[in-house]
Amino acid sequence: RKEVEQDPGPFNVPEGATVAFNCTYSNSASQSFFWYRQDCRKEPKLLMSVYSSGNEDGRFTAQLNRASQYISLLIRDSKLSDSATYLCVVNPGGAFSGGYNKLIFGAGTRLAVHP
Amino acid sequence: DGGITQSPKYLFRKEGQNVTLSCEQNLNHDAMYWYRQDPGQGLRLIYYSQIVNDFQKGDIAEGYSVSREKKESFPLTVTSAQKNPTAFYLCASSDRQVRNQPQHFGDGTRLSIL
Repeated sequence: RKEVEQDPGPFNVPEGATVAFNCTYSNSASQSFFWYRQDCRKEPKLLMSVYSSGNEDGRFTAQLNRASQYISLLIRDSKLSDSATYLCVVNPGGAFSGGYNKLIFGAGTRLAVHP
Repeated sequence: DGGITQSPKYLFRKEGQNVTLSCEQNLNHDAMYWYRQDPGQGLRLIYYSQIVNDFQKGDIAEGYSVSREKKESFPLTVTSAQKNPTAFYLCASSDRQVRNQPQHFGDGTRLSIL
């Protein structure tokens, strides 16, 4: 089983639609969670961190379900500019040669928003 | 402007040649990382460094080497032993002193074989 699993998509949605992505992780001790956005042939950029209580940033809402070991990203009122690949990223926790910031990246979910 | 600078943007390697990818950051981060991304796949960790003069192998270190002589710089050498080097290489950094921090990326180097 992969450490972080995502549906690769693509999710093809019209402008204005609401779309949700899920991501599952295998290590129940995982400590922190992030969503990154990656445009075609570009570097990943941090979209938002995911907190236990859930958090919202404008049209984007992230949720964490520790019991079921999944995180989700909801995008409301989709824009053409939201078209990208969304990477689910997990910090598995524990010592990492003395550091804390090892990250495991999912392969990404592709979103295509059309007019 | 604080950030991570990778160079060159595109690089071509001849058979049997070693090539070096540059990564410089002015974010004052202790930790730096090198990843490789192949089409349709997630990022895979090649090497990481938590502090100057120290670095550790990641999941796919074979055929690669690194150095960390300065806090700001973490160059990656792709050696001739790496038989399939064509990929998108990404350098990242994070604040090691703070737990659970995200990593921030440079804009990457695309390496191809001639």
